[in-house]
Amino acid sequence: DAGVTQSPTHLIKTRGQQVTLRCSPKSGHDTVSWYQQALGQGPQFIFQYYEEEERQRGNFPDRFSGHQFPNYSSELNVNALLLGDSALYLCASSSYLSTDTQYFGPGTRLTVL
Amino acid sequence: AQRVTQPEKLLSVFKGAPVELKCNYSYSGSPELFWYVQYSRQRLQLLLRHISRESIKGFTADLNKGETSFHLKKPFAQEEDSAMYYCALQSYNTDKLIFGTGTRLQVFP
Repeated sequence: DAGVTQSPTHLIKTRGQQVTLRCSPKSGHDTVSWYQQALGQGPQFIFQYYEEEERQRGNFPDRFSGHQFPNYSSELNVNALLLGDSALYLCASSSYLSTDTQYFGPGTRLTVL
Repeated sequence: AQRVTQPEKLLSVFKGAPVELKCNYSYSGSPELFWYVQYSRQRLQLLLRHISRESIKGFTADLNKGETSFHLKKPFAQEEDSAMYYCALQSYNTDKLIFGTGTRLQVFP
């Protein structure tokens, strides 16, 4: 099991563009959470998906949206990119009915120019 | 508001010295507290959680509800402990993790 995987590893976009980031959860996990980690900061919760629905959301604007597929993988979409969206985007997976912790992926580094 | 504070950005010690990484939280209720670690070029991973009450790699952390603290301690630091450490809070009945800004631990030989 490769654990949580994310693609792409790095991405460069310009202001105003749209981006899609992808995440495959750890085998056996059905819940995916997304976090944004700006330089020098801890990860900040964006939202969580379970059963293909957004279950919880952090303090992020509607430009941030997501999707979960039947195979539990997930996408994070960001529209109208701003310079301030430059960050490491982390995906974490877990099992909804388990008290086990979240497992994190390696992240996607997004740079907005 | 729920918040996690790690007052030290950097902590430098010599091998064999004791280590204490500070973490304070604000939460009205009974949170679950975690310490995550990120070694160089590796992903964020769980080090320990307070409900487990276990020692991982020689690290322990005690939840002090009176002082709203969850400091991470190790009596004798090793060079391989050098990493970024994040304290995190999980509120009751949710999976949402609230992280501190992290403390970089440098252990010199």
